[in-house]
Amino acid sequence: DIQMTQSPSSLSASVGDRVTITCRASQDISNYLNWYQHKPGKAPKRLIYAASSLQSGVPSRFSGSGSGTDFTLTINSLQPEDFATYYCQQSYRTPYTFGLGTKLEI
Amino acid sequence: QLQLQESGPGLVKPSETLSLTCTVSGGSISSDNFYWGWIRQPPGKGLEWIGSIYYSGSTYYNPSLKSRITISVDTSKNQFSLKVNSVTAADTAVYYCARLYSSGWSFDPWGQGTLVTVSS
Repeated sequence: DIQMTQSPSSLSASVGDRVTITCRASQDISNYLNWYQHKPGKAPKRLIYAASSLQSGVPSRFSGSGSGTDFTLTINSLQPEDFATYYCQQSYRTPYTFGLGTKLEI
Repeated sequence: QLQLQESGPGLVKPSETLSLTCTVSGGSISSDNFYWGWIRQPPGKGLEWIGSIYYSGSTYYNPSLKSRITISVDTSKNQFSLKVNSVTAADTAVYYCARLYSSGWSFDPWGQGTLVTVSS
């Protein structure tokens, strides 16, 4: 299985900050990398697909980059509604695997 | 707007079968461009892909669970279902259903999830 390593596991930030979350794959996955936002009790929400494509309706302060094994999710100018847990997922090969998540806290 | 909703028992006894259904509304499950999938998250742990199905009935499963799971589809009801046999406490988790894009294989949207506890 392809292992996805996310860092950091938790992150404290303030409204208006810029934050970066990193995801590393255990092998080359090209751009088959997706990012999700998850709030407690809610359905996870796709933010970014194919490493850098922004989901329709997602604010432009979210961006994704990377290819191969190293990927980043960047959130510019954090808003109160952005405090959540973020997961990366590789879709290069089954079984699809997820990172363990990054909890973004105020 | 497509929505998915999981349903099923919240408590299952060890060694029995866990059964969940995902109802799709706001769109057809019989779409050429999408598969449908199940993902779970045990308490305090990460997300685990369980398996996926196409409306034709074609399935593919996570090898770690393959011997115990069955995913099926009912296009007349716009639903797909999950069965996990011989459950143990390790199967306690929030179970999500989601649409899977056949282009890029990402999940969107997801259901809200349902907690299934395995306990006697």
